[in-house]
Amino acid sequence: DGGITQSPKYLFRKEGQNVTLSCEQNLNHDAMYWYRQDPGQGLRLIYYSQIVNDFQKGDIAEGYSVSREKKESFPLTVTSAQKNPTAFYLCASSRRDGSPLHFGNGTRLTVT
Amino acid sequence: GDSVTQMEGPVTLSEEAFLTINCTYTATGYPSLFWYVQYPGEGLQLLLKATKADDKGSNKGFEATYRKETTSFHLEKGSVQVSDSAVYFCALSASNTGNQFYFGTGTSLTVIP
Repeated sequence: DGGITQSPKYLFRKEGQNVTLSCEQNLNHDAMYWYRQDPGQGLRLIYYSQIVNDFQKGDIAEGYSVSREKKESFPLTVTSAQKNPTAFYLCASSRRDGSPLHFGNGTRLTVT
Repeated sequence: GDSVTQMEGPVTLSEEAFLTINCTYTATGYPSLFWYVQYPGEGLQLLLKATKADDKGSNKGFEATYRKETTSFHLEKGSVQVSDSAVYFCALSASNTGNQFYFGTGTSLTVIP
């Protein structure tokens, strides 16, 4: 079955360490997205990519970095510069024609 | 810019009650509208969508009608079940903004037996 796989489901890190969240899709979608979700809040866009080797900052890109070397993969690195990294991170993908987003099951990152 | 405003929660209903979650939008173009549902600890799942004015999206007993005159896309269900307990997000996407998605803040629904 086609879908989006995020791993790991739970991730724990010490403050000051960089950490990379994995996102893989086998839907053959061109566009991929990273969102952050905090308790009781909506989704905030971190980065998005509409094509391989290209990506754009979203609303809250500071302290994050991404790469898009392959169509299927869009890893997110949470750097030590991100002041409040503890959150639920959601990866999504879609075709580029405005069709609905498909979401992974998320990674819950806890930084202490 | 484009945005979505949805009803504040949380909402608590008894089983078999009628559900309405309000959603209004602001868009400069002609957006597509969506409702997503999120169960605890999971990602969002598409519940229903409508791509043009007067379209009605429906799925699993949920319905929403794209009302251009009131810029609304309210979610309704005639008889909720305990299994409908989740967070519901209204969203829009418009081609004139590069098909970016804009989400509401979510409405938490709890259905009690």
